[in-house]
Amino acid sequence: DVVLTQTPPTLSATIGQSVSISCRSSQSLLHSNGNTYLHWLLQRPGQSPQLLIYLVSRLESGVPNRFSGSGSGTDFTLKISGVEAEDLGVYYCVQGTHAPNTFGAGTKLELK
Amino acid sequence: EVQLVESGGGLVQPGRSLKLSCAASGFTFSNYYMAWVRQAPKKGLEWVATISTSGSRTYYPDSVKGRFTISRDNAKSSLYLQMNSLKSEDTATYYCARGVGMGWGQGVMVTVSS
Repeated sequence: DVVLTQTPPTLSATIGQSVSISCRSSQSLLHSNGNTYLHWLLQRPGQSPQLLIYLVSRLESGVPNRFSGSGSGTDFTLKISGVEAEDLGVYYCVQGTHAPNTFGAGTKLELK
Repeated sequence: EVQLVESGGGLVQPGRSLKLSCAASGFTFSNYYMAWVRQAPKKGLEWVATISTSGSRTYYPDSVKGRFTISRDNAKSSLYLQMNSLKSEDTATYYCARGVGMGWGQGVMVTVSS
């Protein structure tokens, strides 16, 4: 199975600070059809996960543009340009290129 | 707006069965792969099962293979998860998801305990 390694496991930030989360895959996530099925989710406390970014860098409708995704192959990054209080929670990367689908272990974003 | 509403959770004894349902709306259900994902208390997300658009193909991790069965009814825009031979380690919140996490329900709690 593909292993997704997220770093750091915990991230402390102040409001307005820019932060990045890394997601590294044990295999290339480039599908034979040319798409890279790497997505980013946010799970706020007490809530179900929500989609932020899909296909590496595409912003889900309604998600603020302070969120951005980048990367290719095995290395991917989620960046938040100016953390806001509503951004706190656990961020997960998830891959759908290889069966079975797998999730990263999560990165908890908390206030410093 | 994508809506996924799970039901059928609860407390069940080890070795017994439970069936979860997910009612979908706001999108063309038959066009999407669907999945069940679970989250044990204070833990991360674990994919449980995926089903193709027609239902002809299903996928499971080793942890539930042979015990869980995913199915769908496209006419009713509904997804199901039949869980048999339940174990204490199956205790979790179970989420219905569109594709690979492209939409999520609110989750339903399943507790396996005697």
